[in-house]
Amino acid sequence: RKEVEQDPGPFNVPEGATVAFNCTYSNSASQSFFWYRQDCRKEPKLLMSVYSSGNEDGRFTAQLNRASQYISLLIRDSKLSDSATYLCVVNRDTGRRALTFGSGTRLQVQP
Amino acid sequence: GAGVSQSPRYKVAKRGQDVALRCDPISGHVSLFWYQQALGQGPEFLTYFQNEAQLDKSGLPSDRFFAERPEGSVSTLKIQRTQQEDSAVYLCASSFAGDRGELFFGEGSRLTVL
Repeated sequence: RKEVEQDPGPFNVPEGATVAFNCTYSNSASQSFFWYRQDCRKEPKLLMSVYSSGNEDGRFTAQLNRASQYISLLIRDSKLSDSATYLCVVNRDTGRRALTFGSGTRLQVQP
Repeated sequence: GAGVSQSPRYKVAKRGQDVALRCDPISGHVSLFWYQQALGQGPEFLTYFQNEAQLDKSGLPSDRFFAERPEGSVSTLKIQRTQQEDSAVYLCASSFAGDRGELFFGEGSRLTVL
């Protein structure tokens, strides 16, 4: 079982739609959580950190459920420019300390 | 530029050749990571340096893979006797805040082994 699992998609949504991505992680020692965005043939870039209380950044809302080991990302009012792959990322506090990436969920926003 | 710089951007190697991939991190970033990204997959961790010390190399897939960062700045990932399964994008990332801060990635080196 992979340490971070995501639905690969693709999610095809119309402009203006609300879309949600989910991610589960297997290592309960994970302490830090992030969503990264990766455009086609480009490098990953940090979209937002995920905090236990949930956090919002404009049209983006991230939630963390430690009990269920589940992370979500909600995008409201989707724009064409949101089309990308969204990578769920966790960081353990012990053992291997590097970030562990999921395989990504591809989003295609259509006009 | 101020970002992470990787070279070469593209490399085609014949099976059995050795390759060397270079990463020039953001100035002042003490942490440097190498990741391997296969098509349609997320980045997979290879190795991690803090300054010149290689603190974690548990992700290196075989002893054909070797990484160094001798002066705590530029890093080189070397792959000996390349195999077709080594074909991937090799991403370098650096971070100021150790292993918990935001990672800044380079554009990657795309390796194709024929």
